[in-house]
Amino acid sequence: DGGITQSPKYLFRKEGQNVTLSCEQNLNHDAMYWYRQDPGQGLRLIYYSQIVNDFQKGDIAEGYSVSREKKESFPLTVTSAQKNPTAFYLCASRAITGTAVDTQYFGPGTRLTVL
Amino acid sequence: RKEVEQDPGPFNVPEGATVAFNCTYSNSASQSFFWYRQDCRKEPKLLMSVYSSGNEDGRFTAQLNRASQYISLLIRDSKLSDSATYLCVVNKGGHNQGGKLIFGQGTELSVKP
Repeated sequence: DGGITQSPKYLFRKEGQNVTLSCEQNLNHDAMYWYRQDPGQGLRLIYYSQIVNDFQKGDIAEGYSVSREKKESFPLTVTSAQKNPTAFYLCASRAITGTAVDTQYFGPGTRLTVL
Repeated sequence: RKEVEQDPGPFNVPEGATVAFNCTYSNSASQSFFWYRQDCRKEPKLLMSVYSSGNEDGRFTAQLNRASQYISLLIRDSKLSDSATYLCVVNKGGHNQGGKLIFGQGTELSVKP
């Protein structure tokens, strides 16, 4: 089955710890994105990548880091510098076809709670 | 002003009702428009893209008014299964934006028996 997988589904972290969220896609999509969603709010872009070994900051990149060593994978690290990390984290991907902006497809999300 | 604004909701309607959601966007350079549906504690899923001429998919009709920078979604004959949060989504617009999307905060719909 083609799709986007995220793991783990639920994650608990102690304050001061770094944690890495996994995102893998087998859709052969070029671009990948990380969003965070807080209760009652829209999605906010953390980082995105359009090509392997390249990525750009989104609107709320502080306290986060990413890597894009493989086309299929775009892990997100939530560092201890992120002041309020408890949230629902969503990974998305899209093909780049050079026409209109293509649809983004989402993974099932990781719900991170800082204890 | 938010880049994408939606009706605050929630909308509580009986089965069979017609309900309309409205959305405005601020960036006149935006070229792509979508409605996503998000169930409680799940990921957003594409409901439909919105085209300039308007488009329909079964009970769902989307309209775009570029002059007013306004998007709408009409749901006819509401079903219990339509209960969800509906997200208005617009691309960032302009060059070198990497396909970035801007999400509205969502409008919650609850369809009651």
